[in-house]
Amino acid sequence: GAVVSQHPSWVICKSGTSVKIECRSLDFQATTMFWYRQFPKQSLMLMATSNEGSKATYEQGVEKDKFLINHASLTLSTLTVTSAHPEDSSFYICSAPRSGSGETQYFGPGTRLLVL
Amino acid sequence: QKEVEQNSGPLSVPEGAIASLNCTYSDRGSQSFFWYRQYSGKSPELIMSIYSNGDKEDGRFTAQLNKASQYVSLLIRDSQPSDSATYLCAVSPSGTYKYIFGTGTRLKVLA
Repeated sequence: GAVVSQHPSWVICKSGTSVKIECRSLDFQATTMFWYRQFPKQSLMLMATSNEGSKATYEQGVEKDKFLINHASLTLSTLTVTSAHPEDSSFYICSAPRSGSGETQYFGPGTRLLVL
Repeated sequence: QKEVEQNSGPLSVPEGAIASLNCTYSDRGSQSFFWYRQYSGKSPELIMSIYSNGDKEDGRFTAQLNKASQYVSLLIRDSQPSDSATYLCAVSPSGTYKYIFGTGTRLKVLA
């Protein structure tokens, strides 16, 4: 099956700092990737759609200046949480659809962010 | 607003029984439907996808889709304690890769 990796798997940072999370498709190219956030005991909420070669599309209520997304290549998307605050502490998960597999999305293992 | 609804549970079934998980969706134009399993602290993993009305079987899992009733379900036969997890229903509107997730149903299989 398709493999998506994320790095780091967990990160602890101080309030006010920025954190970058990488999402890579390891064995396929992905022109589109998705970034989700999941708070404890809640479902996944789509934050934004990352598009290779163009600007990301953000869901309603998600601050694009706070959550910077860069789709640098066909296998890499990054999410930068700028000026992180404790309320940004969450489980961030990326996914990517693989062409030829319908609209199936393959999820990365997730990054757990704790902002102190 | 497009919605996907699931009973949050927990749904408790004895080992060896059939677990039945249900999902309804509001967007009648939806074409693709997925069931994911998520263990605590982990990311979702795909169980099944279904695109046409009727049943689709894969091992102990059967997905059922009824577009007229806007209903999709997942049956797990011979439930095992290792099946204990949260099951997420995801619906993809036509012509897009985007998912709308339900809130998930927590399943407990009792040994």
